[in-house]
Amino acid sequence: QVTLRESGPALVKPTQTLTLTCTFSGFLLSTSGMCVSWIRQPPGKALEWLARIDWDDDKYYSTSLKTRLTISKDTSKNQVVLTMTNMDPVDTATYYCARSRAAVTIHAFDIWGQGTMVTVSS
Amino acid sequence: QSALTQPPSVSGSPGQSVTISCTGTSSDVGTYNRVSWYQQPPGTAPKLMIYEVSNRPSGVPDRFSGSKSGNTASLTISGLQAEDEADYYCSSYTSSSTLIFGGGTKLTVL
Repeated sequence: QVTLRESGPALVKPTQTLTLTCTFSGFLLSTSGMCVSWIRQPPGKALEWLARIDWDDDKYYSTSLKTRLTISKDTSKNQVVLTMTNMDPVDTATYYCARSRAAVTIHAFDIWGQGTMVTVSS
Repeated sequence: QSALTQPPSVSGSPGQSVTISCTGTSSDVGTYNRVSWYQQPPGTAPKLMIYEVSNRPSGVPDRFSGSKSGNTASLTISGLQAEDEADYYCSSYTSSSTLIFGGGTKLTVL
């Protein structure tokens, strides 16, 4: 069974750096064709794709946020980490990690985590 | 890059069919058959319903179908059921090697 679970602080202050961890099971990110992305959703608003990391360590970032984002993986721990610098109240959202795989398509997410809510406030 | 354009809401009665549109540009929907659709009931994570314009993952009812014409993709739900009530989002790969979502459509089953 494939599962993903997001973890990180529920509250961060403006200008701080957010670090989120996605811990997954049921697949290996070292397997050819596997990818993990981060997606966020502000309360009552639409989904927004943030970043993706691939099995071969290729990384892709949202054009509008790429200067603030860093995605990395630790295959030994089955984890993907996202850092976002200079947090602002508009970054308040539920942050999801999700898997995609080339066997289906790397551009669609077949398994999602439950999401973690992050509030940015002083 | 702006979000893909979806109608804010659609509605239908049980048994009817509804179609949700998703309009992009020649830099995304119009060029790539990498359009996906997600269903998101309130308070839950999204669920993949359609990928690559018209393919259904295992377990998704065949009442859900997808298509594309030019810069607009569409999701059609036939034989509407109460359990279909949810928010629906489209997404597309882009020429910038990124992914873009639509603004979401709230489906109400009357």
